[in-house]
Amino acid sequence: GDSVTQMEGPVTLSEEAFLTINCTYTATGYPSLFWYVQYPGEGLQLLLKATKADDKGSNKGFEATYRKETTSFHLEKGSVQVSDSAVYFCALRRADNNDMRFGAGTRLTVKP
Amino acid sequence: NAGVTQTPKFRVLKTGQSMTLLCAQDMNHEYMYWYRQDPGMGLRLIHYSVGEGTTAKGEVPDGYNVSRLKKQNFLLGLESAAPSQTSVYFCASRGQGKHYGYTFGSGTRLTVV
Repeated sequence: GDSVTQMEGPVTLSEEAFLTINCTYTATGYPSLFWYVQYPGEGLQLLLKATKADDKGSNKGFEATYRKETTSFHLEKGSVQVSDSAVYFCALRRADNNDMRFGAGTRLTVKP
Repeated sequence: NAGVTQTPKFRVLKTGQSMTLLCAQDMNHEYMYWYRQDPGMGLRLIHYSVGEGTTAKGEVPDGYNVSRLKKQNFLLGLESAAPSQTSVYFCASRGQGKHYGYTFGSGTRLTVV
């Protein structure tokens, strides 16, 4: 079945450091891929998405590129801020599926 | 625009008690979902609905029931709460189409003692 694997956390970075959170997936066909962010005490918020191979999703300085050949959707940001501290979830959904598969989440802490 | 609203935000139950969690969305979304989030386990789907009057089981449906009598509301019921149901519960909704992401509520933190 479909699955999403994220790098294990927690990840701790200093402010202005470069961020990469790895995400790989297993799915048949051509799923849409998503990154969600969860701030403390809140629900998940859609951060960015990509719907076909080689698409790049971007938002708030974060980027991720849909790589069909490596079945990956790694999240990157060039310069993180303390306010980026949160849990990040990678997810996928196929067109013929009603639900979304989530990774386990990666906790990011950014220190000043 | 309120999005997805969950009530209550917090609740403590005794083992064996029952309760209903309410999810309401004002975006005219067809699809609605209930997830539970536990430490180290990510999000697990409990039940979902593809439209008014429909429900379907997800990954972990045992001990829960749901109803979708109105399009905007999706109720999650616990008939006889157990300590294993201590969790944070999230409701989500989405529109039709492969490219839609989910809109999540802010969660209900439930403790069963």
